[in-house]
Amino acid sequence: DGGITQSPKYLFRKEGQNVTLSCEQNLNHDAMYWYRQDPGQGLRLIYYSQIVNDFQKGDIAEGYSVSREKKESFPLTVTSAQKNPTAFYLCASRSESRGAIGYTFGSGTRLTVV
Amino acid sequence: GQQLNQSPQSMFIQEGEDVSMNCTSSSIFNTWLWYKQDPGEGPVLLIALYKAGELTSNGRLTAQFGITRKDSFLNISASIPSDVGIYFCAGQPREDNFNKFYFGSGTKLNVKP
Repeated sequence: DGGITQSPKYLFRKEGQNVTLSCEQNLNHDAMYWYRQDPGQGLRLIYYSQIVNDFQKGDIAEGYSVSREKKESFPLTVTSAQKNPTAFYLCASRSESRGAIGYTFGSGTRLTVV
Repeated sequence: GQQLNQSPQSMFIQEGEDVSMNCTSSSIFNTWLWYKQDPGEGPVLLIALYKAGELTSNGRLTAQFGITRKDSFLNISASIPSDVGIYFCAGQPREDNFNKFYFGSGTKLNVKP
């Protein structure tokens, strides 16, 4: 079955450390997205990528970095510069084909700073 | 980024009751989507709307694309316990060429058996 896989499900980070969240999709989707979810604030866009080797900052990109070396993969690094990284992170993908409907989301990674 | 106002923020209802929630934006949107998120999981698409005035159903769920193109509504009829979760609206602005969707803050639905 095609889908989008995020790993790990839970991640604990010490202050000052960088961590990388994995996102892989086998849907052959062109575009991929990273969102951050905090209670009562909905989903906020961190970064997105429409094609391989290209990505754009979203609304809250500071303290995060991404890469898109393969169509299937869009890892997110939470750097030590991100002052409040504890959150639920959601990866999504979307076909760029005409008529494509919305995003397909992964099941999320919950990051906690300890 | 775009601001979507979703209300109510939370609801506590009895099983069997109908539910309504809505989403408004300050600008015109081309597309409205409604998602449901179960605890600890990613959102799942429920309904997609593409034209002003469009009314679309998915089982007990009905959503409408507002005539002004600045709002959308989701109704759930005869609620059941498995309807519990967070419902998000998402919209794509007309002027956006990058297929980005903006999300409301969610409506948390609680259903008492």
